[in-house]
This record gives sequence, C-alpha cells and structure tokens, in this order.
Amino acid sequence: DAKTTQPPSMDCAEGRAANLPCNHSTISGNEYVYWYRQIHSQGPQYIIHGLKNNETNEMASLIITEDRKSSTLILPHATLRDTAVYYCIVRSGGSNYKLTFGKGTLLTVNP
Amino acid sequence: DSGVTQTPKHLITATGQRVTLRCSPRSGDLSVYWYQQSLDQGLQFLIQYYNGEERAKGNILERFSAQQFPDLHSELNLSSLELGDSALYFCASSSGQGENSPLHFGNGTRLTVT
Repeated sequence: DAKTTQPPSMDCAEGRAANLPCNHSTISGNEYVYWYRQIHSQGPQYIIHGLKNNETNEMASLIITEDRKSSTLILPHATLRDTAVYYCIVRSGGSNYKLTFGKGTLLTVNP
Repeated sequence: DSGVTQTPKHLITATGQRVTLRCSPRSGDLSVYWYQQSLDQGLQFLIQYYNGEERAKGNILERFSAQQFPDLHSELNLSSLELGDSALYFCASSSGQGENSPLHFGNGTRLTVT
C-alpha cells in the first residue's frame, strides 16, 4: 500500500472549516484514497473516499489533486464533536483490500 | 450506527485463559475484517474472511484464530492469553472485495487480561 503522510495534530475553531491535508506521492493509478476518523476509542468511522474526482457527502468533502499525490479532507463547519483522530489511507487492490492505518492527525476543535 | 455489532463490549479475564469475541456484519456484507488496537501499536490488521473463507492474514499470533460462519457472523478466538493481549479488538465488514467498498467498523470489544 502507498504510504501516506499527515500532520500529527491540528487545531480548528468551532464553526470554521477544517482542512486536513494528506500526502500520498507514491499512489498508483488504481488506488483509492479513504478517510476515516476515530473518536476516543470508538470504532473507526468511515467518512469518504475517492479515486480521481473530488467527492462530497453529508459529512465532508474530499479534494484530490490532479496528479493524485495529495488530498485534503474538508469539514465545512467543524463542531466540538468533530474532535478526533483522522486517518488518510491509500487502499490498493489485490486479494484482500484491507485498510492499513497510520498514526493519523489529531484534530482538536476549540470553542 | 455502522450496523456492525460486536459482543461483548468489555471482557476481563486472567492470563492463560481463552476468550471468544463475536462480530455480526452489516446486512448483506460478505467480508469481515478483524483489527487489534493497543496503546502502543495503533490499529493493526489481523485477518480477513470473505463469504466463509480466509482471504488474508496480517499480524495475527498463532494463539489467535478466527472463522466466519455460514450466516456470515465471525468469531475471533484468543487463547493462552497474556497481559500484552489487552487491547481493543475491532471488527469491520464490507460488501465485497473491491477497493471501492468501504469498511464499516463496530465499536469494538475491550479486552483486559489481568
């Protein structure tokens, strides 16, 4: 699986947009970018994923650069409940399609 | 609610014992994945099943085993438990094998070995 690089921590003010960056410079053409978050020892929560195009759902937007070497997860209006560790994962094909988690980014939303 | 159910939520047992963790995947999901999360190791992939068959193994100890039953629920068996096995154990499920199918995680079983 391609390696990802994320900042270890970020802060965001409540109500503002949170932009979480991720570098994945060795990503291959058929590998998807996935984002998950984990709130205090709960199970990881699926947020969004994409291949080439930008994606948006009710939780967030995913912006993938044209060369696919980096991406940004955008939480449009962060709330205190968005405080969590956010994981950017590049998922490859093959026989198992498992997700390999790194250390992620601890996002702290401040009042 | 992810739709993945794990039982029990908490388990406290002694060293040397054996325990079984249970996972019910989301309705219609054929793949089940097991992960271990300890304080110093992060989320580690253990094993995956697809429609009853083992598909991939990660960092799973020989003392651990798993299976997926015909009704698609899965069990993770941990034996000869050691203090270091204390961790959160998560189960996840997905609809198929494609990389375009998100994994959905349960809320885990917290195992404490004393």
